[in-house]
Amino acid sequence: GAVVSQHPSWVICKSGTSVKIECRSLDFQATTMFWYRQFPKQSLMLMATSNEGSKATYEQGVEKDKFLINHASLTLSTLTVTSAHPEDSSFYICSAARLAGGAGTDTQYFGPGTRLTVL
Amino acid sequence: AQKITQTQPGMFVQEKEAVTLDCTYDTSDQSYGLFWYKQPSSGEMIFLIYQGSYDEQNATEGRYSLNFQKARKSANLVISASQLGDSAMYFCAMREGFQTGANNLFFGTGTRLTVIP
Repeated sequence: GAVVSQHPSWVICKSGTSVKIECRSLDFQATTMFWYRQFPKQSLMLMATSNEGSKATYEQGVEKDKFLINHASLTLSTLTVTSAHPEDSSFYICSAARLAGGAGTDTQYFGPGTRLTVL
Repeated sequence: AQKITQTQPGMFVQEKEAVTLDCTYDTSDQSYGLFWYKQPSSGEMIFLIYQGSYDEQNATEGRYSLNFQKARKSANLVISASQLGDSAMYFCAMREGFQTGANNLFFGTGTRLTVIP
């Protein structure tokens, strides 16, 4: 259990186009999903917290108009990189929080990531 | 101040030996959770082990155990009987508070473990 999928696993696009990345929790419902960005040989940087049925909460420095997040259902969150530029090239990883036991035991399970390359 | 500190950028271990990956954390919360994730070259983040701040016993999951020393604010990961497949990047992470699902994780900078045959 606790499987999270991401689609696509990699994408190459031209500068100025928009790219949509999907994150799905396959065998559990997740009211909260998280989007991270990871540069080569660096740690994960939280971009935003996505809550089902409400607006995402963005971290400081992350442009909400550039990185659109939609958490349409308890199993699906999407990240759209609008008007992508080469500096947006990165590894994008989503996670979904699943309650493992009592309060406070929820664990984030991660998708396999999406490698975005903007030419 | 960094919430999670991993001071070992890289570690080497002989196959079948045990290895300890260090992690210290900084929080003023009484309720928090500590996690270890493994990231192989494929990029996916694999959940390994969890320790709650109120858990009195160290967490164990198969060959993984977490050496939790609350007073020292350390949560070291111990991998016993290392295997070649253990070669990967390992991240320590912390969640502050016990609000279910809503709290993001703070990640350390990671430790690259290489298992030598």
